[in-house]
Amino acid sequence: TVLTQSPGTLSLSPGERVTLSCRASQSVSSSYLAWYQQKVGQAPRLLIYGASSRATGIPDRFSGSGSGTDFTLTISRLEPEDFAVYYCQLYGSSPLYIFGQGTKLEI
Amino acid sequence: QVQLQESGPGLVKPSQTLSLTCTVSGGSISSGSVYWSWIRQPAGEGLEWIGHIDTSGSSTYNPSLKSRLTISVDTSKNQFSLRLNSVTAADTALYFCARVGMTGAQDSWGQGTLVTVSS
Repeated sequence: TVLTQSPGTLSLSPGERVTLSCRASQSVSSSYLAWYQQKVGQAPRLLIYGASSRATGIPDRFSGSGSGTDFTLTISRLEPEDFAVYYCQLYGSSPLYIFGQGTKLEI
Repeated sequence: QVQLQESGPGLVKPSQTLSLTCTVSGGSISSGSVYWSWIRQPAGEGLEWIGHIDTSGSSTYNPSLKSRLTISVDTSKNQFSLRLNSVTAADTALYFCARVGMTGAQDSWGQGTLVTVSS
């Protein structure tokens, strides 16, 4: 299974709403789809697991949805600290964990 | 809140062995039904899962690295380790250790350690 994220880069402004896409090359269980945020010089941070459940401490402006082959991460209102790279991840495949190539949100 | 910290040489010669240790603090490595994983990221690139281990010592590896890889755990030291043999320049990356929580995803991460393979 391959995860393809689009677009590669998005240029947006604080306050805007954004939806990031993650498409799997074959149907996958939504229970095993996660999203991470990675800022420059930092480790990734888990945002969403099980396609739609927010991880501990994640603001409710972040939401995830999707099923089958198409998944999305939505940020309802961009804050300055949200500009980062976002990765989707599938677990339970082969290899056990695979990542998309990432979408960069830039101002 | 559990914290993870990677340690090990920042420079490894080609064909030699890359060895890293992740020290877990703020909780016992043996608590809960979790896995302890390694993930790497070449400069400017995406994330690659390397493998993980549970505290019974059962490990799962990325097939692309399996022939060169050993992940081990030392519960007495609250540590787990990575050994990657026969390294090449392609193994140069930022290496992260992370905890796999009950969600199945990596919910706590170390800050990462840069390993460069060069003579």
